Amino acid sequence: EVQLVESGGGLVQPGGSLRLSCVASELTFTNFAMSWVRQAPGKGLEWVSGIGRSDGRTYYAHSVKGRFTISRDNSKNTLYLQLNALRAEDTAVYHCAKHGYSDNSGYLNSWGQGTLVTVSS
Amino acid sequence: QSVLTQSPSVSAAPGQKVTISCSGSSSNIENNYVSWYQQFPGTAPKLLIYESYKRPSGIPDRFSGSKSGTSGTLGITGLQTGDEADYYCGTWDSRLSAWVFGGGTKLTVL
Repeated sequence: EVQLVESGGGLVQPGGSLRLSCVASELTFTNFAMSWVRQAPGKGLEWVSGIGRSDGRTYYAHSVKGRFTISRDNSKNTLYLQLNALRAEDTAVYHCAKHGYSDNSGYLNSWGQGTLVTVSS
Repeated sequence: QSVLTQSPSVSAAPGQKVTISCSGSSSNIENNYVSWYQQFPGTAPKLLIYESYKRPSGIPDRFSGSKSGTSGTLGITGLQTGDEADYYCGTWDSRLSAWVFGGGTKLTVL
C-alpha cells in the first residue's frame, strides 16, 4: 500500500503563502490522479484540488480557485500545493490522497496523515 | 453547505444494523460511483466502500454499499463500539468538475 507523507504546513499570516508537499513511497505514483483534501478544526472533509496522472489536467474547489495551485513531479513521486493569499478560513489539516484511477473521478484509496496550516495574525 | 447531504448523526445499539444515506443529484451520484470513508478523531480518513458497493481488501463484510438514482447508502451490520466514527460519502461532480463530499455522519454505538 502506498504511503503518503505531507509536509510544509505551519503558521502564516493572512495574505501569506505556503507550499505543501506530499511524497509517495510507491513507484506507481505516476499511474494515478492525486488530490488535496482539507479538514478545518471540528468540521468535515472538503476537497480542495486535484491533478490527473500525467496530462497536467487540474481541478479546484471554487473556494480556492485563483489562490491555490496544484502540481506534481512524477520523477520525485511528489505532489505539491502552493497556497497564496491565505485567509483565516483556510486554516485546516491538509491531506493528500491518491485516487484509484488515472483521472480524478475515482475514489480516494490512500490518504496521508495531513499537515496543519494555521492562518492567523 | 455540502453538495451531498448526509444526516449529521445516527445511533444504534451494539449488534444492531444502521444505514447512512447520502443524497445528491444527477450531476454527481446518479452518474458517478459513490465511495464511503471512515474517520476516527485525529486520524486520516480510510476508504470503506468504492464504486458504490465494492469493499477494499481488509474491510469486513459487515460494511456494505448501494446506490439508487441520486442517493447512496452505507450499511453497517453487527455494530461494534469500535465502529464509532465519522462517515463521509464522496463522488465526482461532473457539472462542477470537482470531487464532492457529504457533510459527514457521526455514528454512536450506544
